[in-house]
Amino acid sequence: EAGVAQSPRYKIIEKRQSVAFWCNPISGHATLYWYQQILGQGPKLLIQFQNNGVVDDSQLPKDRFSAERLKGVDSTLKIQPAKLEDSAVYLCASSPGQLFTDTQYFGPGTRLTVL
Amino acid sequence: TQLLEQSPQFLSIQEGENLTVYCNSSSVFSSLQWYRQEPGEGPVLLVTVVTGGEVKKLKRLTFQFGDARKDSSLHITAAQTGDTGLYLCAGGGSSGSARQLTFGSGTQLTVLP
Repeated sequence: EAGVAQSPRYKIIEKRQSVAFWCNPISGHATLYWYQQILGQGPKLLIQFQNNGVVDDSQLPKDRFSAERLKGVDSTLKIQPAKLEDSAVYLCASSPGQLFTDTQYFGPGTRLTVL
Repeated sequence: TQLLEQSPQFLSIQEGENLTVYCNSSSVFSSLQWYRQEPGEGPVLLVTVVTGGEVKKLKRLTFQFGDARKDSSLHITAAQTGDTGLYLCAGGGSSGSARQLTFGSGTQLTVLP
């Protein structure tokens, strides 16, 4: 079974520029998560989708971050404009259920460097 | 904000040695998960524990959930170089964040040949 796919794997931008990340979850998984992992820290949840609806976006900086999951499959995460502190690995995960005890399968992440 | 503190932050040992890493919180969690993350990859789930005092074994790895469901430990017997990685604990179902996982900052383990 194919895993969670993310692209690009690496991105370098200057501050105030825009950037978008793409995620393709495991087929059939209803729940999709975006996490931010800053170097030396654990992943922090940004947003959780159940099918194409938002379940939790309480930690998403909505003034600059946006995310969508069209048709309940692929998802994109956008940052506009980027700040230096947005440098991190952005991880996408999917799960067949929405409980925190359900196994989350993570993609390899996109490493963002903001100069 | 519920915090999960992991210790030690860094651990470097020789192959064949035993080790224990810890995950502690002041909050009670309904469940606790352990993940391993290798460079350039996402975390991979190792185990989920849900009952206070529960002990689970996965080959040379032993996971324990504290009686009060506030802490957990991971013990590795006879470490191998393939055990190298970032070990993350994640708690779910705490009173302040019922639906999401809260991750600790991890223990970076290096097993030397």
